[in-house]
Amino acid sequence: EVHLVQSGAEVKKPGESLKISCKGPAYNFTNYWIGWVRQMPGKGLEWMGVIYPSDSDTRYSPSFQGQVTISADKSISTTYLQWSSLKASDSAKYYCARRVVYVGYPTFDSWGQGTLVTVSS
Amino acid sequence: DIQMTQSPSSLSASVGDRVTITCRSSQSIGRYLNWYQQRPGKAPNLLIYAASSLQSGVPSRFSGSGSGTDFTLTISSLQPEDFATYYCQQSFTTHTWTFGQGTKVEIK
Repeated sequence: EVHLVQSGAEVKKPGESLKISCKGPAYNFTNYWIGWVRQMPGKGLEWMGVIYPSDSDTRYSPSFQGQVTISADKSISTTYLQWSSLKASDSAKYYCARRVVYVGYPTFDSWGQGTLVTVSS
Repeated sequence: DIQMTQSPSSLSASVGDRVTITCRSSQSIGRYLNWYQQRPGKAPNLLIYAASSLQSGVPSRFSGSGSGTDFTLTISSLQPEDFATYYCQQSFTTHTWTFGQGTKVEIK
């Protein structure tokens, strides 16, 4: 089983910036797309975007384009999710997940433990 | 965008019951459909990929079926550890993989 390890919970004020991380195993991290998923309190899963760490090719869900930045540092097998100016509505748990392709079908077989972000004045 | 709609949103069932959850896509997605289980406070866990293929390590009481726009997740005999929320996800569109709204399975 692949372990994705996410950074710890954060408490921030509106307007502050934040960067959370997701670290994978070094041996094959750059060979897979890594996605980010938002889960607001008591709500469902929302697809945010995905990055290919090998070349930092990044794709965003239209709902999150311009709202967050996804990046990667392949030298340390880590991807990031970043906000330049947080809003209270960004309070949620954020998951990273690894995309694999089984018999031609994409799926997400390994997930990080989640990072809880709380934005409150 | 492809929309995914699950039904019901929640259900109550007893241990040993057969449970069926439905997922419908707004356009045909072939068999590009995944199912995940999420227990409270935990990360999602892959159950089924390609509509009907069981992920390694997942109990055989879980099964998936369907293609095109209509899909089903079935739990043949509900166990205590199966009380959780279940999500479908389409992986048909490149790099944008939307989820259904979830189905919460509760103890009756």
